Amino acid sequence: NAGVTQTPKFRVLKTGQSMTLLCAQDMNHEYMYWYRQDPGMGLRLIHYSVGEGTTAKGEVPDGYNVSRLKKQNFLLGLESAAPSQTSVYFCASSVSGSYNEQFFGPGTRLTVL
Amino acid sequence: GQSLEQPSEVTAVEGAIVQINCTYQTSGFYGLSWYQQHDGGAPTFLSYNALDGLEETGRFSSFLSRSDSYGYLLLQELQMKDSASYFCAVSAAGNKLTFGGGTRVLVKP
Repeated sequence: NAGVTQTPKFRVLKTGQSMTLLCAQDMNHEYMYWYRQDPGMGLRLIHYSVGEGTTAKGEVPDGYNVSRLKKQNFLLGLESAAPSQTSVYFCASSVSGSYNEQFFGPGTRLTVL
Repeated sequence: GQSLEQPSEVTAVEGAIVQINCTYQTSGFYGLSWYQQHDGGAPTFLSYNALDGLEETGRFSSFLSRSDSYGYLLLQELQMKDSASYFCAVSAAGNKLTFGGGTRVLVKP
């Protein structure tokens, strides 16, 4: 099992460009999450999904959109990138609610110039 | 909303014991989790406490006091590989985890 994978691993964007980050999990987990982590800080929840076809806002959703068309995939989109979105993005999945162990992907390091 | 406080950094020598405290404020509390993250890596799950008391898993133990809104992670017999950041996280109503800012543990020989 690959667990949770993320593509790409690194990306540099110019202000105003758009991109999509892909997260895939092969553990048949219902719940999936997108976090961002800024240097020296904890993880902040952007959006999450409690099942195929559902999404919900987290702590810092502005400037991001998500989609969960298939159970195993969770996409994070940036429509018009801003320097404030420079961060490391982590995807995670879990069997069910927040009290279950979350499994994290390796992260995507995004720089917006 | 939720808020968590934990120390920013702790330094100790190999073989020592380190306790990382975490205090939280939240509504609809379910439990307290701990995650480890090495530099450049992804967070990995260490433990989860839903009830008061101590949970032991090898060299690591985690404690929770719901009445005090307080928990700690105890790292025993410290090894160099334990140098990492440790995050507490609260589970509350809404299927979400809220993470603390992290404690950086530096283990010296």
